[in-house]
Amino acid sequence: NAGVTQTPKFRVLKTGQSMTLLCAQDMNHEYMYWYRQDPGMGLRLIHYSVGEGTTAKGEVPDGYNVSRLKKQNFLLGLESAAPSQTSVYFCASSPPGSTGGGETQYFGPGTRLLVL
Amino acid sequence: QKEVEQDPGPLSVPEGAIVSLNCTYSNSAFQYFMWYRQYSRKGPELLMYTYSSGNKEDGRFTAQVDKSSKYISLFIRDSQPSDSATYLCAMDSSYKLIFGSGTRLLVRP
Repeated sequence: NAGVTQTPKFRVLKTGQSMTLLCAQDMNHEYMYWYRQDPGMGLRLIHYSVGEGTTAKGEVPDGYNVSRLKKQNFLLGLESAAPSQTSVYFCASSPPGSTGGGETQYFGPGTRLLVL
Repeated sequence: QKEVEQDPGPLSVPEGAIVSLNCTYSNSAFQYFMWYRQYSRKGPELLMYTYSSGNKEDGRFTAQVDKSSKYISLFIRDSQPSDSATYLCAMDSSYKLIFGSGTRLLVRP
């Protein structure tokens, strides 16, 4: 049982390049989330999903797109990377039947992204 | 004004001290209150959660919620160097969490 895994661990992009971050969970969780963490800002929700095929915007969705084609995977895309998107990105998931409250969110190890 | 406010620290204490970490919030609709611990270059891990007001104890950790004051606290007794980490408070908001910015704690041997 690997829990929540994220790929890649670290990436450097040039401004304007695109990339996709992959989150996978093997716990059969319904809800999945993408956060970014910046110094002094805490964790901010980018997008989330309450089930396969569904997505919704969080606090800071601009410049990002997501897809949840399979229950176990949640993809975060950057179509045209900007230096302001330099951050550490965390994925999280919650088990089925939960309220989505944080008592049940499990986090991945993070992806460090540097946009030059 | 942020929905959840947390002093960023850093907070430096000697081993064995009692640590008090706090957050204030503005949204009275929050029902679940969480504390996450995050070690350097790792993902956050859930430490404790409390539903509504009251206290909850787990070993050396005690979480306290005062909804009337919109104030939550985490107390760490007999702090250890292994407790050195960033502590994030979080509150639920309909499938989502709102996080504080985190307090960095350093426990000196």
